[in-house]
Amino acid sequence: RKEVEQDPGPFNVPEGATVAFNCTYSNSASQSFFWYRQDCRKEPKLLMSVYSSGNEDGRFTAQLNRASQYISLLIRDSKLSDSATYLCVVNGQDTDKLIFGTGTRLQVFP
Amino acid sequence: ETGVTQSPTHLIKTRGQQVTLRCSSQSGHNTVSWYQQALGQGPQFIFQYYREEENGRGNFPPRFSGLQFPNYSSELNVNALELDDSALYLCASSLARLAAQETQYFGPGTRLLVL
Repeated sequence: RKEVEQDPGPFNVPEGATVAFNCTYSNSASQSFFWYRQDCRKEPKLLMSVYSSGNEDGRFTAQLNRASQYISLLIRDSKLSDSATYLCVVNGQDTDKLIFGTGTRLQVFP
Repeated sequence: ETGVTQSPTHLIKTRGQQVTLRCSSQSGHNTVSWYQQALGQGPQFIFQYYREEENGRGNFPPRFSGLQFPNYSSELNVNALELDDSALYLCASSLARLAAQETQYFGPGTRLLVL
């Protein structure tokens, strides 16, 4: 089983749609959770950290479910500029390293 | 901009050769991590340096080695290149000793093609 698993997509949604991504992780001791965004042929950039109580940043909402070991990202009112790959990131067995999922590709169309 | 730079941007090598990739971290960031990202995959952790000492390593063979310098620059060296080493190599800098605990700032990466 992979340490971090994501549906690779692609998710093709119209502008204005709401889309949700899920990610599961295998290490029950993980403490750090993030969503990164990666545009085509660019470096990953932090979108948001994920906190136990859930957190929101504008149109983006992240949630953590420790019991089921999954995190989610909800994007409301999708924009064309949201088209990118979204990487789920969790700290691994060794707390000094991050484990990235393969990413979920989102394509927002007009 | 993250303030993290990498050089070169692109590189072509042949199997068996050696390569050195360079990274310049944000000033004040004592931790640098290196990742390999193959096409269609997420970044995979290679290793991490904190104040010039290796501070964690992923599942990569010893022919992947690194150095970190006091001026916030670092190197990734790969010996005996193999075709599967073709990938985007990313460095990321952070303030904390344990990079997994906080935001990492990625450089634009070096695209390596091994023929």
